[in-house]
Amino acid sequence: DAKTTQPPSMDCAEGRAANLPCNHSTISGNEYVYWYRQIHSQGPQYIIHGLKNNETNEMASLIITEDRKSSTLILPHATLRDTAVYYCIVRGSTSGTYKYIFGTGTRLKVLA
Amino acid sequence: EADIYQTPRYLVIGTGKKITLECSQTMGHDKMYWYQQDPGMELHLIHYSYGVNSTEKGDLSSESTVSRIRTEHFPLTLESARPSHTSQYLCASSSQGFGNTIYFGEGSWLTVV
Repeated sequence: DAKTTQPPSMDCAEGRAANLPCNHSTISGNEYVYWYRQIHSQGPQYIIHGLKNNETNEMASLIITEDRKSSTLILPHATLRDTAVYYCIVRGSTSGTYKYIFGTGTRLKVLA
Repeated sequence: EADIYQTPRYLVIGTGKKITLECSQTMGHDKMYWYQQDPGMELHLIHYSYGVNSTEKGDLSSESTVSRIRTEHFPLTLESARPSHTSQYLCASSSQGFGNTIYFGEGSWLTVV
């Protein structure tokens, strides 16, 4: 599975959009981009995923570049409850084992 | 909302005790996973299963063992707990296919004294 690179930490003002970047330059054609977040002491929570097209749901938007080498998770109006570690994961059929590899993620702090 | 449950949530046990962490899911998922995570650190896959009677070791070596006798149940056992086993253990499941998501339980915090 492709490796991802994320900034270790980010701050965002409450009510503003939080834009979390992820680089996955070695992604292959059948690999999906997933985003999860983990609030302190809890299990990771699914946010969104996509293959090629931009995606939006009630939690966030996912913007994938045309070459698919990077993506951005957008939380349109961040709240204090969005403070968490955000993981970008690339997963597909190359490994054949369906494993999800979580890296160190981005620690987002939403400031009042 | 995912239906995957772990018990106990918190456990403190003495060295040398045998412990089983329970994990159940009601979604009919074939694939189940156990991750280990120390506070502030990465999640590491320690076991996974493709289905009944299938279990595999993950990327991080672990002295724990797992079993998969029923689709919905994937317990993790430590035969003789040690302080080095103190950690959070997270169970997860997913269905077939590459576009399907993985769902996590709330985790089990184990402290071995």
